[in-house]
Amino acid sequence: SQQGEEDPQALSIQEGENATMNCSYKTSINNLQWYRQNSGRGLVHLILIRSNEREKHSGRLRVTLDTSKKSSSLLITASRAADTASYFCATDGAQGAQKLVFGQGTRLTINP
Amino acid sequence: NAGVTQTPKFQVLKTGQSMTLQCAQDMNHEYMSWYRQDPGMGLRLIHYSVGAGITDQGEVPNGYNVSRSTTEDFPLRLLSAAPSQTSVYFCASRLSGTVNSPLHFGNGTRLTVT
Repeated sequence: SQQGEEDPQALSIQEGENATMNCSYKTSINNLQWYRQNSGRGLVHLILIRSNEREKHSGRLRVTLDTSKKSSSLLITASRAADTASYFCATDGAQGAQKLVFGQGTRLTINP
Repeated sequence: NAGVTQTPKFQVLKTGQSMTLQCAQDMNHEYMSWYRQDPGMGLRLIHYSVGAGITDQGEVPNGYNVSRSTTEDFPLRLLSAAPSQTSVYFCASRLSGTVNSPLHFGNGTRLTVT
């Protein structure tokens, strides 16, 4: 089935640095979403970017979408310890908007 | 505002036992869904519902049943548990009328089948 694949699988950086995570997918989409999951908790929606958008900002988050390459990136600027979490991209598309498909996630660790 | 509530938080079953994972939301969301999360596999969709009385299969429906008698509740039933169903289960809901509404997740049920 279509699936977003995040890269890298794990990322460890120092507090204050920027963190970039990438997501690739296989078929055309209507939108792409990013979620965060803290340890032992459910996922929390961060940002949605539509297929006709190329870049979107929300606070310290910047998301880009390149539909020609079927890829997206999530940039977290000025990282904080509280940003330590797993980050997932999710896509709809050929399988329909009712079946949101998640990638395997990037585990981000922010070192103080 | 409670959001999406899942019970129980933890459960241990023996192979062949049955149980129901409960999910309730108080946001009047029409769409509800169940995912399972396994290490290295991300989240996989089990079943979903776009409204009371309507359910459909996701990517991994085998071994699970669902029903949707009310807007608020979407229980997931394991009829005969197997070790392969050891996982963390998440219920999620959203408004159904637009493809751009985000999913709201519960905090999960961690199930172990021995």
